[in-house]
Amino acid sequence: EVQVVESGGGLVQPGGSLRLSCEGSGFTFSRYAMSWVRLAPGKGPESVAAISGSGGITHLADSVKGRFTLSRDNSKNIVYLQMSRLRVDDTAVYYCAKGQLSGSGSRPDYWGQGALVTVS
Amino acid sequence: DIQMTQSPSTLSASVGDRVTITCRASQNINTWLAWYQQRPGKAPKLLISEASNLESGVPSRFSGSGSGTEFTLTISSLQPDDFVTYYCQQYNSDLYTFGQGTKLEIK
Repeated sequence: EVQVVESGGGLVQPGGSLRLSCEGSGFTFSRYAMSWVRLAPGKGPESVAAISGSGGITHLADSVKGRFTLSRDNSKNIVYLQMSRLRVDDTAVYYCAKGQLSGSGSRPDYWGQGALVTVS
Repeated sequence: DIQMTQSPSTLSASVGDRVTITCRASQNINTWLAWYQQRPGKAPKLLISEASNLESGVPSRFSGSGSGTEFTLTISSLQPDDFVTYYCQQYNSDLYTFGQGTKLEIK
């Protein structure tokens, strides 16, 4: 069974940092892209970052470029979203998603349960 | 980035009505478009992929069409459970993007 599980959410002050982790299981992790989507209160989904299966290609939304970085450790089946210089408007539930294919733009087909990040 | 524009942002309708939601891409995305249903506090649920492929388990009252830059989601006969928010999503670029959403309200 495919599973995607986020961890690392919490409360942080503006300007602070936080690292989200996402562990995948039930599939060959290195063959699939992974991405992060956030849902802010009262807003629609925003794709924040995506990384190819090999980890060689990453893409970040303009709203987080220069502040967030994305990496993966295929030996541990984990993808990391390092968030720095956090702002109040980064407050959201962050979902990790497995891609349908290995390319970074691959449509998500499995989602985690979400990790709440509150910047206040 | 490819911008996705949905309309309308809010749609008032009654149970049994047929409704259509439109999504327009800022550039050609072929049929690399998905439609999601979202309930408060939950991850989006995939309804349709590749513009018109109904996902397993999704009721047949949902259908999608379009290609290039113009797409539609149609619900043929609204049920009480359908009055939530819908999003389109393109996945023809390095980072997929969503439309701003259409909220279905009971008239």
